[in-house]
Amino acid sequence: GEDVEQSLFLSVREGDSSVINCTYTDSSSTYLYWYKQEPGAGLQLLTYIFSNMDMKQDQRLTVLLNKKDKHLSLRIADTQTGDSAIYFCAESMGDTGRRALTFGSGTRLQVQP
Amino acid sequence: NAGVTQTPKFQVLKTGQSMTLQCAQDMNHEYMSWYRQDPGMGLRLIHYSVGAGITDQGEVPNGYNVSRSTTEDFPLRLLSAAPSQTSVYFCASSSSGRRNEQFFGPGTRLTVL
Repeated sequence: GEDVEQSLFLSVREGDSSVINCTYTDSSSTYLYWYKQEPGAGLQLLTYIFSNMDMKQDQRLTVLLNKKDKHLSLRIADTQTGDSAIYFCAESMGDTGRRALTFGSGTRLQVQP
Repeated sequence: NAGVTQTPKFQVLKTGQSMTLQCAQDMNHEYMSWYRQDPGMGLRLIHYSVGAGITDQGEVPNGYNVSRSTTEDFPLRLLSAAPSQTSVYFCASSSSGRRNEQFFGPGTRLTVL
């Protein structure tokens, strides 16, 4: 079955790097995503990685994928107070008809000034 | 484009009342889905639709009905509200592209007394 797990909370100081980790169980996942949710708002897609890649960089964001261990991480460089939010890891089996995502429980990132 | 819109933003119901949560998208997306978000549990899929006239159940469908008479609209109906349905509800849509990027609405916060 599908299961996505994340740690619940991370606290960092402004300017430090943040690393948010995620494990998933479905090896047939084609895409893996990171979404950001700010207080009182919906989810916003931050970045994604295709399953045949092991790294993707997008400005301050670096996504690492270890398919063997089914481990995904999101690194935020030079973390700012505006990065404080809940971050969700999600997986998609893109070739199935369902098209919905399986989400982790979210990691709350708190950035201390 | 307005993207994905949801109404209402907040709602309080008494046990046993019925109501419909509205969701609309103006991106001509085929795929739409409803999730509920509960503390510490991430998002769970309630129902989804792969096109007008086609709907199916997700992980937690009990107590909810959906219909998809047009591409744009995907309402979620609670026939007899229960306190266990207190949650934040998100509607999402995506195109048929392989990347399966989901666009989320701002959410409806529902409290059932």
